[in-house]
Amino acid sequence: GQQLNQSPQSMFIQEGEDVSMNCTSSSIFNTWLWYKQEPGEGPVLLIALYKAGELTSNGRLTAQFGITRKDSFLNISASIPSDVGIYFCAGQSGQGSRLTFGEGTQLTVNP
Amino acid sequence: GAVVSQHPSRVICKSGTSVKIECRSLDFQATTMFWYRQFPKQSLMLMATSNEGSKATYEQGVEKDKFLINHASLTLSTLTVTSAHPEDSSFYICSARTGFEMNTEAFFGQGTRLTVV
Repeated sequence: GQQLNQSPQSMFIQEGEDVSMNCTSSSIFNTWLWYKQEPGEGPVLLIALYKAGELTSNGRLTAQFGITRKDSFLNISASIPSDVGIYFCAGQSGQGSRLTFGEGTQLTVNP
Repeated sequence: GAVVSQHPSRVICKSGTSVKIECRSLDFQATTMFWYRQFPKQSLMLMATSNEGSKATYEQGVEKDKFLINHASLTLSTLTVTSAHPEDSSFYICSARTGFEMNTEAFFGQGTRLTVV
């Protein structure tokens, strides 16, 4: 089946630093999504990408849909303590199909 | 974004009893709802996909007689964990999608923490 490799698994950074995480796949996805999950909550959609090469921003967050359609990255600039959480990438391969999730990146921001 | 409400947020039940979890789309009609299970420090594992008015499609290894899913309306899906056992303790999350088109996003509920004692 499809698998997403997300890295890094965890990050410990200082407030104000920039963060980058990425996901790679052995197969092509037509949609890439980035979610954030806080403890005891469901994932919240941050950015959705629908076209290869697309670069989309949402405030301090920027994500790109890789040109090969097998990878995506998420950058967070000038991190703040409330950025703490687990970030998941997810890919969708076809119309109406299920989401395949990455393993998650646990982000810790030290004030 | 659209709002998906899940209830209850936490439930503790005795081993052998059944528990029902509700997932509602509050401001849109959800043609498709998904049920996930998440263990601590792990990713979301898809359990089943349900389309309104039809039987749910279960993922391999998920017992359909143990995890009963009903999607009777465009705004409500329920997951019933039957004859619960301690190993069923987990975080259950639903998500809802507005349609089948490529750019329809899936929105997640806030999750239900199930503890079976």
